[in-house]
Amino acid sequence: GAGVSQSPRYKVAKRGQDVALRCDPISGHVSLFWYQQALGQGPEFLTYFQNEAQLDKSGLPSDRFFAERPEGSVSTLKIQRTQQEDSAVYLCASSLLLAGGYNEQFFGPGTRLTVL
Amino acid sequence: DAKTTQPPSMDCAEGRAANLPCNHSTISGNEYVYWYRQIHSQGPQYIIHGLKNNETNEMASLIITEDRKSSTLILPHATLRDTAVYYCIVRKIGANSKLTFGKGITLSVRP
Repeated sequence: GAGVSQSPRYKVAKRGQDVALRCDPISGHVSLFWYQQALGQGPEFLTYFQNEAQLDKSGLPSDRFFAERPEGSVSTLKIQRTQQEDSAVYLCASSLLLAGGYNEQFFGPGTRLTVL
Repeated sequence: DAKTTQPPSMDCAEGRAANLPCNHSTISGNEYVYWYRQIHSQGPQYIIHGLKNNETNEMASLIITEDRKSSTLILPHATLRDTAVYYCIVRKIGANSKLTFGKGITLSVRP
């Protein structure tokens, strides 16, 4: 089946604009993660959903960042009033939720956001 | 989760084995060692994981020292397509939690 897909693949925004990044996880995957990857760095955790519930948002850098997954499948990461420091690749990952075992995270290709 | 330390880069010749080291001296008994890799412009990809025994799959082998304070990822016959950043990650058993990436090690496979 299809893997994790993200759209758009590239987004250029002017400083102060709002942006919305979409993630389509693998069908049936209960868990969904968002990560932010700055240039030359490893990905950093932003937030985690189990179905529609946002169980961990400890990595969101400010209240300008908001994520949702209203029906427990597609998720949207919204950034309000974008700043230059928000420029990064935003990665989405999904996984099953099997008790007691390792649940491999499958990553999408990411959305590269450039804020001018 | 325990922290990992990796050298920033290494290279190897195509067709030779690539041995990627990782130190995780503060690992606890309920933590696995995972390896992911990220090819340029792609998302990270799972490679392998282990607790204390050596593991092998179609992609790689994972050798974990007896004291579990370090491990080595082995790509037995590196190809140009194995050029990527490789991340060693420590994570609790049974957790469906976030992955904590470091900077990883950049492997360059030369022709």
